[in-house]
Order: sequence, then C-alpha cells, then structure tokens
Amino acid sequence: EVQLVESGGGLVQPGRSMKLSCAASGFTFNNYDMAWVCQAPKKGLEWVATISYDGSSTYYRDSVKGRFTISRDNAKSTLYLQMDSLRSEDTATYYCARHTMGITHYFDYWGQGVMVTVSS
Amino acid sequence: DIQMTQSPASLSASLGETVTIECLASEDIYDILAWYQQKPGKSPQLLIYDASSLHTGVPSRFSGSGSGTQYSLKINSLQPEDFASYYCQNGLSAPLTFGSGTKLEIK
Repeated sequence: EVQLVESGGGLVQPGRSMKLSCAASGFTFNNYDMAWVCQAPKKGLEWVATISYDGSSTYYRDSVKGRFTISRDNAKSTLYLQMDSLRSEDTATYYCARHTMGITHYFDYWGQGVMVTVSS
Repeated sequence: DIQMTQSPASLSASLGETVTIECLASEDIYDILAWYQQKPGKSPQLLIYDASSLHTGVPSRFSGSGSGTQYSLKINSLQPEDFASYYCQNGLSAPLTFGSGTKLEIK
C-alpha cells in the first residue's frame, strides 16, 4: 500500500524558515517524480514544486522560486521542502504527492497534509 | 501559464441525479487533464486522468470527456459519498495549474 506521511509543520514567524518531510513507503520511491501541493485555508489547490525521480531536476511555481527548495533522499525514501523567508501568504496545508509515471504530470497518491501557519 | 477556469463554483443536487462540471483551459492542453475529488478535511484523490481514463478503483458513474480547451466531469446517479469538492488540473506543463474547484452539495 502506497503511503506518504508528512511531518514538520506548525507555527512560524514571518521571515523564518521551516522544513517539511514526507516519508514514503509501499512503492519504489526512486522510480517516481514527487511534488508538493498546497492549499490555503478554505481555498483551492496550488502546485508548489516538483523534483525528478533522481533529484537532477526541480521545478517551482513563481511565488516560491528562490525561497523554497525541494529535495529528496532516495536511500531514505524521503521527500523534503525547505521553506525560507516565509510570508503570511505561505500559510496553507502542504501535501506531499506522487506524480504518475510517464510524460504527463498528474498526482496519483497524496499524503494527509501538514499545516504551516506563518504568523507573528 | 495555462489558466484553468472551472464552473460552476458550487452545485446543489439530489441523490440519484446526474451532474456535470466544466473546465476550460486557456490554451490547448491535448487532453492532458485530470480530475480530483476532495472531501472535507481529507487529501485530494485522483479520479480521472488523460481527460477520460478512470483511475484504479474509481466507480464507473464517474466519467470525463472533452478535448482541446474544453473538458467536463460527469457524475451519474449521485451517491452520498460523492458530495465533495472537485478540481481539474492541467498535467501538460509547469506550472501545473488547478481549476478553482466546484463544491457539490446535497439539495
């Protein structure tokens, strides 16, 4: 059974940093591109970042470029999101998601989500 | 960036009814479109990919159609568990964009 379990969320002050982790199990982690998707309270879904199966390529939405870094440790089957210079508008639930295989970019499995609140 | 315009924003329907949700892309996305269902307090679940292919385990009362820039999700014979929010998603190229969502409520 595919499982994605996020951790590391909480309350953080504007301008500070936070690192999210996502522990994967039930599939061959290093075969899949992975992503982070966020959802602000009572709002819709927003893609944040994607990393290729081997970590060689990363992609970000414009609003987080230069502030967020997606990375992975295939030996530990773990995905990360380092979030620096946090802003109030980054407040959201962050989901770890597995991309489908192939050239299309869907999300076939999602974690339960972790809440990040940026506030003083 | 490809914009995804989803309608309606909310929809009220009765058990057993059939409903349709629309998604309009700002440019041709060549059927590279997915639909997700999200229940309150839960993570999204993939329903349909490549515009019309059902994901594993998804009931056959869900169907997707469309091409080019216009796509739709149809739910036949609504069941209690279908009342949720639905999102379309451009899977063609980054930035990967979602529609703003449709909240399906019981009438």
